[in-house]
Amino acid sequence: QKEVEQDPGPLSVPEGAIVSLNCTYSNSAFQYFMWYRQYSRKGPELLMYTYSSGNKEDGRFTAQVDKSSKYISLFIRDSQPSDSATYLCAMSVNNDMRFGAGTRLTVKP
Amino acid sequence: DAGVTQSPTHLIKTRGQQVTLRCSPISGHKSVSWYQQVLGQGPQFIFQYYEKEERGRGNFPDRFSARQFPNYSSELNVNALLLGDSALYLCASSLATGGYSPLHFGNGTRLTVT
Repeated sequence: QKEVEQDPGPLSVPEGAIVSLNCTYSNSAFQYFMWYRQYSRKGPELLMYTYSSGNKEDGRFTAQVDKSSKYISLFIRDSQPSDSATYLCAMSVNNDMRFGAGTRLTVKP
Repeated sequence: DAGVTQSPTHLIKTRGQQVTLRCSPISGHKSVSWYQQVLGQGPQFIFQYYEKEERGRGNFPDRFSARQFPNYSSELNVNALLLGDSALYLCASSLATGGYSPLHFGNGTRLTVT
């Protein structure tokens, strides 16, 4: 079992849809949780950064962490074609950061 | 403000050769980390440096080495290249070490080994 599991997709949605991206993990010691967006041939860009369980909202993006279930989510409201990218979940404890494999999202106009 | 810059952007090498990749962190960031990303996978941790000292090492062979300079820039060296070393090599900088200081990535160096 991988330490961080993320469905690779691909996921295709129409413009304006609500997108839900998810990751599960096995290491209960993880304290910090992040979502990165990676466009083709670019480096990952930090989207959301959270600590402990709960929700964090930033514009059209909401990150949700449930440490009891070892489950994190990223919701994208009113999705746009420009949101088409690969979304990577990441989590860390101290200096040890682990990434999911990424979910490839396409938002169709 | 300039983000993390990496050079070169692309590189083609043959098996057995050596390669050096370079990274300049965001101004004010003292920590640099290196990651390897194979197509279709998430980044895998190689090294972390803070204030010129190695603070972490991933599960990579000794052919991989790195260093950080007084200006906080960094180099990643890979010796005796193998076909399996073909990947996107990402550099990330952060203010400090520890998970509370999120990583900011450059656009990477795409290495192809033939």
